[in-house]
Amino acid sequence: KQEVTQIPAALSVPEGENLVLNCSFTDSAIYNLQWFRQDPGKGLTSLLLIQSSQREQTSGRLNASLDKSSGRSTLYIAASQPGDSATYLCAVPLNTGFQKLVFGTGTRLLVSP
Amino acid sequence: EAQVTQNPRYLITVTGKKLTVTCSQNMNHEYMSWYRQDPGLGLRQIYYSMNVEVTDKGDVPEGYKVSRKEKRNFPLILESPSPNQTSLYFCASSFRGGNSPLHFGNGTRLTVT
Repeated sequence: KQEVTQIPAALSVPEGENLVLNCSFTDSAIYNLQWFRQDPGKGLTSLLLIQSSQREQTSGRLNASLDKSSGRSTLYIAASQPGDSATYLCAVPLNTGFQKLVFGTGTRLLVSP
Repeated sequence: EAQVTQNPRYLITVTGKKLTVTCSQNMNHEYMSWYRQDPGLGLRQIYYSMNVEVTDKGDVPEGYKVSRKEKRNFPLILESPSPNQTSLYFCASSFRGGNSPLHFGNGTRLTVT
């Protein structure tokens, strides 16, 4: 059974720091991994989708890496800003049909000015 | 603007009173799905649909019904709500299930007393 874990559950950093969020999965036979951001009272916003054949995906100050063999993905945020404060979740499809996704419980990030 | 629209945003009801939460997307997505989000349990999938008239159960389908009569709409029906269905509900859509970026609505906070 696929389990997705995100540690730490919460993280607080001062503005300007580079930081790394972690996502671990138990079954390495994944097809892709998606990172999301959730703001309070809002739905999730897809940030990056990294295919199993890729090792990295970049969007602006965000960089996601994927290491299937070790069952890990990291989301790197460069030069963090208070506007980056949110909960970050990762998710993997459960099967080849991509109908079901398993989500991690998220890391709540607070960037202080 | 491309979006997933859920209504209502907030709903308070009593045990046993049937209710429907609507979900509509304007992106011509094939795939739609419903999730509930609970503290400590994360996001759990209720039902999903790969196309019109094609629906299937997720991880926690008990007590819920869905229908997909049109591509853009995917309502969630609670025939006889109970207090354990108090939760934050999200509708999501994408072109190809979990193999493309998932777009979420802003959520419906349901309280069943």
